[in-house]
Amino acid sequence: AQSVAQPEDQVNVAEGNPLTVKCTYSVSGNPYLFWYVQYPNRGLQFLLKYITGDNLVKGSYGFEAEFNKSQTSFHLKKPSALVSDSALYFCAVRDGGNDMRFGAGTRLTVKP
Amino acid sequence: DSGVTQTPKHLITATGQRVTLRCSPRSGDLSVYWYQQSLDQGLQFLIQYYNGEERAKGNILERFSAQQFPDLHSELNLSSLELGDSALYFCASSVAQGNYGYTFGSGTRLTVV
Repeated sequence: AQSVAQPEDQVNVAEGNPLTVKCTYSVSGNPYLFWYVQYPNRGLQFLLKYITGDNLVKGSYGFEAEFNKSQTSFHLKKPSALVSDSALYFCAVRDGGNDMRFGAGTRLTVKP
Repeated sequence: DSGVTQTPKHLITATGQRVTLRCSPRSGDLSVYWYQQSLDQGLQFLIQYYNGEERAKGNILERFSAQQFPDLHSELNLSSLELGDSALYFCASSVAQGNYGYTFGSGTRLTVV
C-alpha cells in the first residue's frame, strides 16, 4: 500500500527566506504525488501535483515541488516565503486506482 | 467555494447519539471520499464511493457507515458516538480513479459532549 511521510511537524522560516517542506513516499507502482494546504477552519486546497514529466513542478501561490525518484522524495519549496503562507501543508500520494494517502502534515510558520 | 458542499458546518451532540453528515460532490465528480481529521491523528481515510458503489475502506469504525445516492451526494452516519469521535470530518470528490487530485469541502466539525 502507498504511504507518505512528512518528517517535520513544524517548519519555521523568516519572511523573504526560502522555504522547504519535506515529503517522502512509498508506492508499488508509479506515484502520483500531491501537495495540499489547509488554512485554519478550512478544507484542504490543492497546490500542485506530479504525474509524469519534468521533475520540477510549479503550482499555486508561487510554490513548486521537486520530484526525486531515487530518493523517493517530493519536497515542497518556495523561493521567498510570505507571512500569509503560514498554514498546515499535506503531502499525498495516489497509486493509480487506489485512494489518496496523506502525510501527517507540517505546520509552516513564517515570521515577519 | 470549492464546489464540494458539506452540511452541517458544526454539530454538537451527546455521547451515545447518532448523527448524519452530508456531502454534495463537485459537479461532474463521481467519486466521494470521507476523511476524519483529529488533532493527534492527522487525516485518516475512512471510505470511498464511486458512482454509488463502495470502492475502498480505510480506518472506518463499525459504528460508522456511509452511502452514496443516485444523485451522487453522500452521507456519513456516525452512531453510538463517543468523546473520541470529536473531529473534523471532510468530504472530497474527484472525477474518477487514477491520477486526479481531490477537491475538498470545508468540513463538518463534530463535537461530542
